[in-house]
Amino acid sequence: GQQLNQSPQSMFIQEGEDVSMNCTSSSIFNTWLWYKQDPGEGPVLLIALYKAGELTSNGRLTAQFGITRKDSFLNISASIPSDVGIYFCAGQLRETGTASKLTFGTGTRLQVTL
Amino acid sequence: DTGVSQDPRHKITKRGQNVTFRCDPISEHNRLYWYRQTLGQGPEFLTYFQNEAQLEKSRLLSDRFSAERPKGSFSTLEIQRTEQGDSAMYLCASSPGQSPLYETQYFGPGTRLLVL
Repeated sequence: GQQLNQSPQSMFIQEGEDVSMNCTSSSIFNTWLWYKQDPGEGPVLLIALYKAGELTSNGRLTAQFGITRKDSFLNISASIPSDVGIYFCAGQLRETGTASKLTFGTGTRLQVTL
Repeated sequence: DTGVSQDPRHKITKRGQNVTFRCDPISEHNRLYWYRQTLGQGPEFLTYFQNEAQLEKSRLLSDRFSAERPKGSFSTLEIQRTEQGDSAMYLCASSPGQSPLYETQYFGPGTRLLVL
């Protein structure tokens, strides 16, 4: 099945550093979501974006919906050890009467060192 | 706990056996989704229910897979004659189903299947 392209695939950072990751698609979506997944657990929703160009924050997290509707970005400021995990972007094409299934990215594995 | 729950959390089976997983969505959520996640990949869509009606199935869902949501509440996913390639995490998600424009999906903890 289709998977969106996420970069970087993995990153090692030090506590306190800022982190940036992005997600690109060959097709457009009208919703972008960012999830975090810990080992052995299901994805947990971090941020949802509903409008092209939208910039939304959730605590230390900030995400943007690209104006082309084919990409999205996630920034984490002042990283802490509990930010460790795999971050997934997901695109959604919401249309009345159809399934709002999610198309996920390949994931960015984040590891934070003290 | 009022989140999505899945049972069992782990399942080990021998090739050729049948397995069944259960998902209980968030109360009053009308939409229920099943996804499959293999190691190192993001989840992939399998199928979707609006209340008790199964409205869409992915090509990933072979004839050996069947999903039901008989009363529009909990759902089951059955895999018949399991194969080693079925080893994966099976995730369930639910959403309110009240607005076509704002449908956030909330995931359960998943069932990890290992086929020997």
